[in-house]
Amino acid sequence: DQQVKQNSPSLSVQEGRISILNCDYTNSMFDYFLWYKKYPAEGPTFLISISSIKDKNEDGRFTVFLNKSAKHLSLHIVPSQPGDSAVYFCAASLSNTGKLIFGQGTTLQVKP
Amino acid sequence: EAEVAQSPRYKITEKSQAVAFWCDPISGHATLYWYRQILGQGPELLVQFQDESVVDDSQLPKDRFSAERLKGVDSTLKIQPAELGDSAMYLCASSAGANTGELFFGEGSRLTVL
Repeated sequence: DQQVKQNSPSLSVQEGRISILNCDYTNSMFDYFLWYKKYPAEGPTFLISISSIKDKNEDGRFTVFLNKSAKHLSLHIVPSQPGDSAVYFCAASLSNTGKLIFGQGTTLQVKP
Repeated sequence: EAEVAQSPRYKITEKSQAVAFWCDPISGHATLYWYRQILGQGPELLVQFQDESVVDDSQLPKDRFSAERLKGVDSTLKIQPAELGDSAMYLCASSAGANTGELFFGEGSRLTVL
């Protein structure tokens, strides 16, 4: 049972445009959501997070939106840069466990 | 900047052989995790330690996998015997506490079983 799903395996956007990565989850008990970025041959690095008590969190070019009723979150990158090209993982957790459950990942390619 | 150290970076072994991975978390991080990432999939938790105690090993194939964190600092993940399906990236991560949700990952150990 895949509790966190990223249904788009890949996304290609032009430099300067907006990138929107989507994630769906099934467990309504999740109370913390994170996005990780992964370059080839490296471990995932934390990008941005959001608590379930919020619906938006912004950090520079990155904004995460949470829609609890739809059990959906999205990551917006504006403007997209070639250096943003990587695999992006959505993750969810129950804050009292510390355990992260990851989606399958979306490969973002930003073309110059 | 403090990092999670893992070794080896790459390991090629034949099936039925034993293999071991080592992880040194960020100093002071009480929680340590071993994740497995199969190509094209997201990381999957194998085992979670709080200090030297196992908190969650529900997804660890205990017939062939073992993990320890004897002094509550560094950790070893062992596979014996290795099978073809074990080929994956083994990622170690640590966190300061179980409530933040933010994990710091090492660069991973890439295992290829022939």
